[in-house]
Amino acid sequence: DQQVKQNSPSLSVQEGRISILNCDYTNSMFDYFLWYKKYPAEGPTFLISISSIKDKNEDGRFTVFLNKSAKHLSLHIVPSQPGDSAVYFCAASAFTKTSYDKVIFGPGTSLSVIP
Amino acid sequence: DAGVTQSPTHLIKTRGQQVTLRCSPKSGHDTVSWYQQALGQGPQFIFQYYEEEERQRGNFPDRFSGHQFPNYSSELNVNALLLGDSALYLCASSSPKQGYTEAFFGQGTRLTVV
Repeated sequence: DQQVKQNSPSLSVQEGRISILNCDYTNSMFDYFLWYKKYPAEGPTFLISISSIKDKNEDGRFTVFLNKSAKHLSLHIVPSQPGDSAVYFCAASAFTKTSYDKVIFGPGTSLSVIP
Repeated sequence: DAGVTQSPTHLIKTRGQQVTLRCSPKSGHDTVSWYQQALGQGPQFIFQYYEEEERQRGNFPDRFSGHQFPNYSSELNVNALLLGDSALYLCASSSPKQGYTEAFFGQGTRLTVV
């Protein structure tokens, strides 16, 4: 049972345009969401996060939108750059009584930004 | 700050053998989580250690076990290796007591079982 879904395995975007990566989740207990970027032969690198009390979080060229009623979030990259080409993982976490946060990852979307 | 370091980076083992992977967390982090990433998939949560105890566990058999030391470093042990255990094993450290801090990942250990 995949709790975090990324239905687009790959995405190609022209340099300078907007990249939109989508993510859906099924567990309503999730209250914290993260995006990670991964280059080959490296571990995932944290990109941006959002708490369930917000619907938008922005950090430079990266913006994450959260729609709790639809259990959907998206990552917008504007403008896209060739260095953004990587695999992007959507991840989610639920706050527990003991505050231990198990992070569940989606399968990833491979983004290619074409110069 | 060295970040999260894992050793070894690559490993080849034979079916039925046992393997131990090691992880040193980022300075200031006290929680270590282990993930298995198969080719073309996202990281799958194996377990998490805090205060030298396994606090949470994913859907992995008992062949997967771990340990956390007083200095917060951690080991992942896999017994009776199967071909299907071939994957990238990632260690992530965090400090949940500080709130929703993101987990920092190491570069991973690529395990190949032949």
